[in-house]
Amino acid sequence: GAGVSQSPSNKVTEKGKDVELRCDPISGHTALYWYRQRLGQGLEFLIYFQGNSAPDKSGLPSDRFSAERTGESVSTLTIQRTQQEDSAVYLCASSQTSGGWDTQYFGPGTRLTVL
Amino acid sequence: AQSVAQPEDQVNVAEGNPLTVKCTYSVSGNPYLFWYVQYPNRGLQFLLKYITGDNLVKGSYGFEAEFNKSQTSFHLKKPSALVSDSALYFCAVRDINGNEKLTFGTGTRLTIIP
Repeated sequence: GAGVSQSPSNKVTEKGKDVELRCDPISGHTALYWYRQRLGQGLEFLIYFQGNSAPDKSGLPSDRFSAERTGESVSTLTIQRTQQEDSAVYLCASSQTSGGWDTQYFGPGTRLTVL
Repeated sequence: AQSVAQPEDQVNVAEGNPLTVKCTYSVSGNPYLFWYVQYPNRGLQFLLKYITGDNLVKGSYGFEAEFNKSQTSFHLKKPSALVSDSALYFCAVRDINGNEKLTFGTGTRLTIIP
């Protein structure tokens, strides 16, 4: 079946502009995660959605970052007033449940470059 | 707090030789452990996981990993390396009793030399 998809694959923007990144999870997956991967580094957790529960925003680095998810479908990550340090690959993952044993399946990522 | 360490940033192995990518973890309880692989300009692909049961876990592409509770390790292994195994490998851990999210290591770049 279809995997996790993300768009755009690449985004170049100017400092101070807002950007919106999209994630389409695997159909039927109730949990959705956003991560950030800076060049040469591991994955940094940003935000987590589980069904209709309030999202876990504990990983968002600043109030310039926000995310929404409609039900158990598409999610958008918005970065306002982008800064150069926001340049990274943003990865989305989904899992069938929120159980710790459950495998997260990742999308190809969006590479964001802030000039 | 939970954490995971991948002590080697880079591992080079000759094609056909066995390979090992190391991972150690720290959790207060028992762990769920995962290995992912990342090819250039791609997302992470799931390789294998340890939940419970047999300490030796077999996964995709001929990879396996052994859970060692006494050494708090979960090293990734393959008996005979292929050039196509060259990629970035990530280990991840989650405490089964905790509310923390999956924690990833910083990754190990594996290069298989023809």
